Amino acid sequence: ELKVEQNPLFLSMQEGKNYTIYCNYSTTSDRLYWYRQDPGKSLESLFVLLSNGAVKQEGRLMASLDTKARLSTLHITAAVHDLSATYFCAVDRGSGTYKYIFGTGTRLKVLA
Amino acid sequence: DGGITQSPKYLFRKEGQNVTLSCEQNLNHDAMYWYRQDPGQGLRLIYYSQIVNDFQKGDIAEGYSVSREKKESFPLTVTSAQKNPTAFYLCASSPRTGTQPQHFGDGTRLSIL
Repeated sequence: ELKVEQNPLFLSMQEGKNYTIYCNYSTTSDRLYWYRQDPGKSLESLFVLLSNGAVKQEGRLMASLDTKARLSTLHITAAVHDLSATYFCAVDRGSGTYKYIFGTGTRLKVLA
Repeated sequence: DGGITQSPKYLFRKEGQNVTLSCEQNLNHDAMYWYRQDPGQGLRLIYYSQIVNDFQKGDIAEGYSVSREKKESFPLTVTSAQKNPTAFYLCASSPRTGTQPQHFGDGTRLSIL
């Protein structure tokens, strides 16, 4: 059974600091996604990672994928308050199934 | 603009009542999904459909039903058999090929009266 675990579950950090969120998954998958959710809102797509060694960057966020370690990271550089949200990773359950399992989410709070 | 529309935004259910949540998309996506989100938790898959007139149970289908009579529409009924329906329900869609991420609606918050 595919399991997706994120850590930490909660993260409180000062503005200007760097930190990394980890997403581990238990079986082989060829697609990994990162989403952002603001409180009470929908999910917004951030990154799609498709191959081993893939790295994507958007502003202060950078995501990477290591398929051999079954690990993805979301790195936050010089955090700002606007990045406060919950971040989810999601993995395709099997090649071409288009059925996804989501991690538990990391709730990030950036303190001014 | 293309997107997913969920309605209503808030819904209240009485004991023993069935309620239906609407989800409509104009993205021309084949696949549609329903997720349940409980406070402080991730998304759990209720049902999904990859093509019209076909749908599959997800991880927590008990107490829920769906239909997919049109490509654009994937309504979810929360039946009286679902004893703990209070949650945030999210509908999503995606193409059935390629690698695009899912697009999500704004959600329906369901509570029990």
